[in-house]
Amino acid sequence: QQPVQSPQAVILREGEDAVINCSSSKALYSVHWYRQKHGEAPVFLMILLKGGEQKGHEKISASFNEKKQQSSLYLTASQLSYSGTYFCGTVAQAGTALIFGKGTTLSVSS
Amino acid sequence: EAQVTQNPRYLITVTGKKLTVTCSQNMNHEYMSWYRQDPGLGLRQIYYSMNVEVTDKGDVPEGYKVSRKEKRNFPLILESPSPNQTSLYFCASSPRTGAAYEQYFGPGTRLTVT
Repeated sequence: QQPVQSPQAVILREGEDAVINCSSSKALYSVHWYRQKHGEAPVFLMILLKGGEQKGHEKISASFNEKKQQSSLYLTASQLSYSGTYFCGTVAQAGTALIFGKGTTLSVSS
Repeated sequence: EAQVTQNPRYLITVTGKKLTVTCSQNMNHEYMSWYRQDPGLGLRQIYYSMNVEVTDKGDVPEGYKVSRKEKRNFPLILESPSPNQTSLYFCASSPRTGAAYEQYFGPGTRLTVT
């Protein structure tokens, strides 16, 4: 089942912070975050695994609340390069497919 | 260079004319997947493959076929394309099934069916 992302869109000025949320109705094994620039392929940002392990980006952080089946992506001191569409993807059990949400569009202006 | 390649990048075709979109990766990844992307709907999985000769349906498999005869290739076949298959298609691969591994995406194939 597709995870739900919120908000659908965010507009920021450089230097401002943003939080993007991802929630699932199912228990989760892992949550993935990707960013897609217009006209390009999605690019990996981060994986958060059940149990607390994280792999990914140095300047972007995320949290994973296993009990609530929720994850949040934290973009601090945003830069113009942060603009794009952010997708979360969820995996219910090890060995099953990654299912993506509908995305959150982030626009950062100077 | 480690990469996922797709061909063609752009394709305009007519209803009913069979077509194949190729996908190839040079990273010896076991897991490969096809997604379609439509405005407002995000990335929806069409088919995936956990290894050679092992394929399974994703969320939107109707009208598509795949095969995985070699580890590096995972072609997407549209036997009789229809206008509702007009979309942006992405192939992706990862070392193993997606739970703990990042997916590497190809550049995308924009398909228009008239």
